[in-house]
Amino acid sequence: AQSVTQPDIHITVSEGASLELRCNYSYGATPYLFWYVQSPGQGLQLLLKYFSGDTLVQGIKGFEAEFKRSQSSFNLRKPSVHWSDAAEYFCAVGTGSGNTGKLIFGQGTTLQVKP
Amino acid sequence: EAGVAQSPRYKIIEKRQSVAFWCNPISGHATLYWYQQILGQGPKLLIQFQNNGVVDDSQLPKDRFSAERLKGVDSTLKIQPAKLEDSAVYLCASSLRGSMNTEAFFGQGTRLTVV
Repeated sequence: AQSVTQPDIHITVSEGASLELRCNYSYGATPYLFWYVQSPGQGLQLLLKYFSGDTLVQGIKGFEAEFKRSQSSFNLRKPSVHWSDAAEYFCAVGTGSGNTGKLIFGQGTTLQVKP
Repeated sequence: EAGVAQSPRYKIIEKRQSVAFWCNPISGHATLYWYQQILGQGPKLLIQFQNNGVVDDSQLPKDRFSAERLKGVDSTLKIQPAKLEDSAVYLCASSLRGSMNTEAFFGQGTRLTVV
């Protein structure tokens, strides 16, 4: 069965430091992979997605993620974290075919940013 | 472009009562999703509509949950009777199509507390 694991429940980094959030997936075929961010009281916003091609994908707000098939990973990175990046981050894998696509989410990683 | 609208934002009910949530997707989006997000977990798909037809409701507890999407636009999700474990945020999302290469846009959610 398809699944997504985010090993880190909470991460605290200092403002200006680099960030890496881990994501491992289980999926039989070539996966569609996503990272979403959820600020308090807000819905989910798409940061970036990977479908095929270049394994390093760029997203909004300075985020990037690298797809590594051999490790079944899709880690999210940012070179320099801003206080406004404090939020909950969800990795997801897309399943289904045709118009039956749906997302399976990991449990999320809460990012705290220290001043 | 207006986003996905959900109401109410918050709801507190007693167990065994009924409750309904409303969602208005982005205009022109054929696919509508209802996700349940329990505290500390990632969102889990409850039901997916393609226009006014159900595509996937495999994880919907049909003994107490029901959903409809009249005329392929607005949707309502109902719980009757509610249980304590139904306390969660209910997220509505929509996409132009249901395929994995089209972005899903999420509403702000309805936070349900069952006491």
